[in-house]
Amino acid sequence: EVQLVESGGGLAQPGGSLRLSCAASGFTFGSFGMTWVRQAPGKGLEWVSYISSGSPTIYYADSVKGRFTISRDNAKNSLSLQMNSLRDEDTAVYYCTRKVGDWFLDYWGQGTLVTVSS
Amino acid sequence: QSALTQPPSASGSPGQSVAISCTGTSSDVGDYNYVSWYQQYPGKAPRLMIYEVTKRPSGVPDRFSGSKSGNTASLTVSGLRAEDEADYYCSSFGGSNNLVFGGGTKLTVL
Repeated sequence: EVQLVESGGGLAQPGGSLRLSCAASGFTFGSFGMTWVRQAPGKGLEWVSYISSGSPTIYYADSVKGRFTISRDNAKNSLSLQMNSLRDEDTAVYYCTRKVGDWFLDYWGQGTLVTVSS
Repeated sequence: QSALTQPPSASGSPGQSVAISCTGTSSDVGDYNYVSWYQQYPGKAPRLMIYEVTKRPSGVPDRFSGSKSGNTASLTVSGLRAEDEADYYCSSFGGSNNLVFGGGTKLTVL
């Protein structure tokens, strides 16, 4: 059974940092691209970042470019998102997702809540 | 990276059919057959319902179907059931190595 379990969410101050992690199991993690998607309270979904399976190709949404860094450790079946220079508008539930084929996301974690507030 | 346009709400009675639209541009929906649809219940993670415009993952009822014409994609739910009441989001490859989502549609089963 495919499982994606996020952790690392919590309260951060504006300008602060937070590191999210996603533990993957039930599939060959190193063979799949992965993404982070977020959802602000009461709002819609927003794609954040993507990392490919191999020698990583990485993409970011304009809203996080230069502040967030996505990475993966295939040996540990782990995906990470380092979030720096956090802003109020980064407050959201962050989902770890598996990307398949041409940009569809077939498995999602349960999400981890990030709150940016002073 | 503009969001795709969805109606905020849609509704139908049990047994009826409802279609939810998703309008993009010639740079995303209109240029690629990479439209997906996701179902989300309150407080839960989204679930993939349709991918590559018309395909259903294993386990998704065939009451759910997808289509596309020009820059607009649609999700049709036939034979509405109470458990179909949820939020639905479309997404499309954005053409610039990004993924764009619609704003979401709240489907109410009357």
